[in-house]
Amino acid sequence: DQQVKQNSPSLSVQEGRISILNCDYTNSMFDYFLWYKKYPAEGPTFLISISSIKDKNEDGRFTVFLNKSAKHLSLHIVPSQPGDSAVYFCAAASNDYKLSFGAGTTVTVRA
Amino acid sequence: DAGVIQSPRHEVTEMGQEVTLRCKPISGHDYLFWYRQTMMRGLELLIYFNNNVPIDDSGMPEDRFSAKMPNASFSTLKIQPSEPRDSAVYFCASTTQNPEAFFGQGTRLTVV
Repeated sequence: DQQVKQNSPSLSVQEGRISILNCDYTNSMFDYFLWYKKYPAEGPTFLISISSIKDKNEDGRFTVFLNKSAKHLSLHIVPSQPGDSAVYFCAAASNDYKLSFGAGTTVTVRA
Repeated sequence: DAGVIQSPRHEVTEMGQEVTLRCKPISGHDYLFWYRQTMMRGLELLIYFNNNVPIDDSGMPEDRFSAKMPNASFSTLKIQPSEPRDSAVYFCASTTQNPEAFFGQGTRLTVV
């Protein structure tokens, strides 16, 4: 039972443009949402998070938006850079710290 | 801090053999998690510890899998006997009092 879904397996974007990654969840008990970035042969690296009491969190080029009523969140990267090419995982947690992950979206930034 | 340290990075073993994966969490972190990544199931939680005590092992696939945390700086994940379907990347992660876990580089296990 996949409680966190990333329906786009891949995304290709030109350098300097905006990357938008989407994520949907089904479990209403989730109250904390995270994005992780993963390069090949490395572990996932925490990128940005948002609590369910907020609808937006920004950190430099990265912004996460949360729409609780739609059970949807998105990650915006602007401007996209070649170093952003990686797999991005959406994750969610409830009152414990267990993370439920989506399947990931592979982002390719074209020069 | 060197981050979460896992060993070995790669392990190739024959079916039926015992495999032990090791993890050293970040000093001061009181939560430790074992995740597994496969093509079919993605990243899934196997077990997690809080203050060295196993809290939830519902993700452990079978009795062939076991995990221990004898002290705050060391954990093992053991598979005995190993099977080809256990081939995956196994990640250890740690955190303290928030969900933003730090992951190790993973152990790529191949069972032939």
